[in-house]
Amino acid sequence: SQKIEQNSEALNIQEGKTATLTCNYTNYSPAYLQWYRQDPGRGPVFLLLIRENEKEKRKERLKVTFDTTLKQSLFHITASQPADSATYLCALPGRTGGFKTIFGAGTRLFVKA
Amino acid sequence: DADVTQTPRNRITKTGKRIMLECSQTKGHDRMYWYRQDPGLGLRLIYYSFDVKDINKGEISDGYSVSRQAQAKFSLSLESAIPNQTALYFCATSETSGYSYNEQFFGPGTRLTVL
Repeated sequence: SQKIEQNSEALNIQEGKTATLTCNYTNYSPAYLQWYRQDPGRGPVFLLLIRENEKEKRKERLKVTFDTTLKQSLFHITASQPADSATYLCALPGRTGGFKTIFGAGTRLFVKA
Repeated sequence: DADVTQTPRNRITKTGKRIMLECSQTKGHDRMYWYRQDPGLGLRLIYYSFDVKDINKGEISDGYSVSRQAQAKFSLSLESAIPNQTALYFCATSETSGYSYNEQFFGPGTRLTVL
């Protein structure tokens, strides 16, 4: 079955540095991959989508890469700020289609001032 | 006003009780979903609906039922609540458009505790 792996350990970085989060997946070749942000006690919020034919996507301080050979996506936040502290979820379309989405467990990011 | 709302936001109930969680949306989306979130397990799909007449089971539907009362309303019921249904529950919506990559819009969540 499909499996999404995100680092369960929290990532702690200093303000101004670049945060890099990893999403690995197995048993699947998705047409696209999404990243969401979730703050404590709140619902996830969509950030970025990258398609299988795109190597890299940028949005302001965010950058996502998609390596279909390694079956991996990297999510970067440059010039990180304390307000970037949150949990970041990786998501893929369900293998059987039907517009279901499979979510990773997420990685918690702490940015220290 | 929020596009996707959920009621109640918090609920404490006892084992064996029937409870209903409600979701309403003003985004005009046809697709609606119910997820539960547990620490370390991420979001898991309980049920989903692609229109008022379409209801589908997700990966963990046992012990749950749903009702799609209208395009804008999708409710989740726990027929006889048990402690391992203690979790954070989210409703979500997405567009039907063929150009959509199924970006999901989530409600604020309902924290359910079953004693």
